[in-house]
Amino acid sequence: DAGITQSPRYKITETGRQVTLMCHQTWSHSYMFWYRQDLGHGLRLIYYSAAADITDKGEVPDGYVVSRSKTENFPLTLESATRSQTSVYFCASKPGPAHTDTQYFGPGTRLTVL
Amino acid sequence: QKEVEQDPGPLSVPEGAIVSLNCTYSNSAFQYFMWYRQYSRKGPELLMYTYSSGNKEDGRFTAQVDKSSKYISLFIRDSQPSDSATYLCAMPLRVGYSTLTFGKGTMLLVSP
Repeated sequence: DAGITQSPRYKITETGRQVTLMCHQTWSHSYMFWYRQDLGHGLRLIYYSAAADITDKGEVPDGYVVSRSKTENFPLTLESATRSQTSVYFCASKPGPAHTDTQYFGPGTRLTVL
Repeated sequence: QKEVEQDPGPLSVPEGAIVSLNCTYSNSAFQYFMWYRQYSRKGPELLMYTYSSGNKEDGRFTAQVDKSSKYISLFIRDSQPSDSATYLCAMPLRVGYSTLTFGKGTMLLVSP
């Protein structure tokens, strides 16, 4: 399917476990982003990537790891999940560096950490 | 204080009403402003963008920027139940940067 997809859509895990959220886009967009969305905080940027093998921290990177070995994939790993990481996670992509380029969002992954 | 402030609502209006959604921002260097719409349990999607001051119209939607007050607005005319969603304002995190900073979003409920 064309576009941007995330998997899984729902995930329940326990504190201390490692969790990986997947993001895949078919547009060959160079930029990809991970956000978390929480009540009272809105959308906050976790990490972003300008190209394969280039990543940078966003507003709330602690406790998360990203990698980007291929342009189309941008997985987000919670190395040791905590309850405070319970959230809805959105992946996004955009064609290039211009701030006028539209960001396209995936459908989200709802993560619950027990 | 977050750079972009937005009242979370909810804002409840009857069908056909004119809706005004607003954001304030702190960085006077911002030039480019966006409005995203997010339906329940979906990802945000770009609704409108506007550059610098003034108005931009797209169908029933008008985006307005007042740089002197650091205030942006989204007006929806003849609101429909299908407009029920959360509306997020967004702007570049820093001038020239590729990343965006978002307001917390205002939930709009349009009742038939």
